[in-house]
Amino acid sequence: ETGVTQTPRHLVMGMTNKKSLKCEQHLGHNAMYWYKQSAKKPLELMFVYSLEERVENNSVPSRFSPECPNSSHLFLHLHTLQPEDSALYLCASSQVVAGNINSPLHFGNGTRLTVT
Amino acid sequence: AQKITQTQPGMFVQEKEAVTLDCTYDTSDPSYGLFWYKQPSSGEMIFLIYQGSYDQQNATEGRYSLNFQKARKSANLVISASQLGDSAMYFCAMREGGGGNKLTFGTGTQLKVEL
Repeated sequence: ETGVTQTPRHLVMGMTNKKSLKCEQHLGHNAMYWYKQSAKKPLELMFVYSLEERVENNSVPSRFSPECPNSSHLFLHLHTLQPEDSALYLCASSQVVAGNINSPLHFGNGTRLTVT
Repeated sequence: AQKITQTQPGMFVQEKEAVTLDCTYDTSDPSYGLFWYKQPSSGEMIFLIYQGSYDQQNATEGRYSLNFQKARKSANLVISASQLGDSAMYFCAMREGGGGNKLTFGTGTQLKVEL
């Protein structure tokens, strides 16, 4: 069983809906990430939270809104999405230590999102 | 420019044979780390192996080894004694020392292990 849990596993939503993706990590890590995985494209980093502070936002449209209430939980709030937003959304966590670059990201199983 | 390049969209290998998955990278940062991940059809990204830019020896982890050629900026993954369960997408990724916490990924290689 993965140390990073994502719910729901699958989500179908209309363009006018509001929904949220949830991620929880049980590894005691201090950083959490949202990645988007579309077919035949590299994983795209969306947001990074380190010690519950957003440290990176990769020019993501405002219809995606992240929230990190504590170091174990990460949400991605969705509203008025477009069909091209259909993708696999992956959450990850890692332990960040200053000057140390060898800590891998640990990923959840992802949420398969379909926007109709 | 792509920071991570995986030129093999698909690879086939026979069971029990070894296979090499290619990865080249581009960075001017002297400190960086290279990672390989496996993604089965279930979707989870599984960390396999890590190589640091200052590591003197090639990384090994069970049946996985990394052929690290720093001058060529390549970090190929070698899987020995392939098993049917090795069929999956494989991604190469890099973290630069001056690039914060993020990993930058390549487009992946789909590996299929055949009987």
